[in-house]
Amino acid sequence: GAGVSQSPSNKVTEKGKDVELRCDPISGHTALYWYRQSLGQGLEFLIYFQGNSAPDKSGLPSDRFSAERTGGSVSTLTIQRTQQEDSAVYLCASSSRTSVGTQYFGPGTRLLVL
Amino acid sequence: AQKVTQAQTEISVVEKEDVTLDCVYETRDTTYYLFWYKQPPSGELVFLIRRNSFDEQNEISGRYSWNFQKSTSSFNFTITASQVVDSAVYFCALSDPNAGNNRKLIWGLGTSLAVNP
Repeated sequence: GAGVSQSPSNKVTEKGKDVELRCDPISGHTALYWYRQSLGQGLEFLIYFQGNSAPDKSGLPSDRFSAERTGGSVSTLTIQRTQQEDSAVYLCASSSRTSVGTQYFGPGTRLLVL
Repeated sequence: AQKVTQAQTEISVVEKEDVTLDCVYETRDTTYYLFWYKQPPSGELVFLIRRNSFDEQNEISGRYSWNFQKSTSSFNFTITASQVVDSAVYFCALSDPNAGNNRKLIWGLGTSLAVNP
């Protein structure tokens, strides 16, 4: 079946502009995760959606970052007033209740803020 | 506190050598899961293995093998007869006991493996 998809693949924006990144999880997966990965670095957890529960936003670095998940499926990560330090790869992953935490990743969105 | 340590930041080997990537974890949970992921230069993280804390049997999949030892809180990954295509960053992860059935993962910082021809 289809894996996790993310769009756009690449995004170049100017400092101060808002950007929206989209994630389409694997069908039926109830959990969705957003991560950020700066060049040559590890994974930085941003936010976690689990079914209809309130999301775990503990990793969002500032109030410029927000995310929503509509209908328990597609998620959008929004970065307002982008800064150069926001440049990174944004990774989305999803998991199902039966996979006991195994996360399946999308290809990522490479964001460059000029 | 839960923590995953991958002490080896970078490893460089010559093709056909065996290489072991170390992973040491800390957790207060009695039931947990450990994971390994591969991130090739293309960037997409690929799931390799999940191990239940109650199952200490070593696992082998082709040239890959995993050694899980609860006594030393380690879950090491060995690639036998390495190939250039094994060049990637490898991440070890631990399930977060507070996150319910769909668990958040606690990630190590990764080990960058370069296999040279």
